[in-house]
Amino acid sequence: GENVEQHPSTLSVQEGDSAVIKCTYSDSASNYFPWYKQELGKRPQLIIDIRSNVGEKKDQRIAVTLNKTAKHFSLHITETQPEDSAVYFCASEGQFYFGTGTSLTVIP
Amino acid sequence: EPEVTQTPSHQVTQMGQEVILRCVPISNHLYFYWYRQILGQKVEFLVSFYNNEISEKSEIFDDQFSVERPDGSNFTLKIRSTKLEDSAMYFCASSGHGLGILNEQFFGPGTRLTVL
Repeated sequence: GENVEQHPSTLSVQEGDSAVIKCTYSDSASNYFPWYKQELGKRPQLIIDIRSNVGEKKDQRIAVTLNKTAKHFSLHITETQPEDSAVYFCASEGQFYFGTGTSLTVIP
Repeated sequence: EPEVTQTPSHQVTQMGQEVILRCVPISNHLYFYWYRQILGQKVEFLVSFYNNEISEKSEIFDDQFSVERPDGSNFTLKIRSTKLEDSAMYFCASSGHGLGILNEQFFGPGTRLTVL
């Protein structure tokens, strides 16, 4: 099965700074890469996704980049705000395989 | 906006007992999933269900687990003989508008299972 690795496991940034979370995957046949945000005690919610036919996708302050050759994809959050604090999970291959999560803390 | 719902929100059971976790997926969705999340850890895939049968399952989904769609709305996960290590948050999810599995999954609020 797919193996998804995610880094870093924890990330602290000052409000207004950017945050970058990276994931690598093993299955070159994977074609869909979503990112989920999970606030404490709540369900995972999709924040952005990317398919293998594009290299980058942006939605306001959030962007995702994909490098299929290197088999990695990244989440970029710009102008971070305290409400961005949460655990972020990447996933691949029909979303069955989740990364280990990154706990993001935005310091006001 | 339609949501996936799950009941109960919290289930406490004794080791060795059977539990049934219930989910109502979004009504026009075709694919259904169960995941579990041990406290502080990642979300782990258990099983996916489509067209009234299991389409994929993970190594975690062994013989003590089963899923069922007993009617047109409910999707259940049964754990036959619970173990202490089954304690986790169990999320149901649904997706699909007839375009295949590569669509956004909508998660339910979860059922926290505590095995004593």
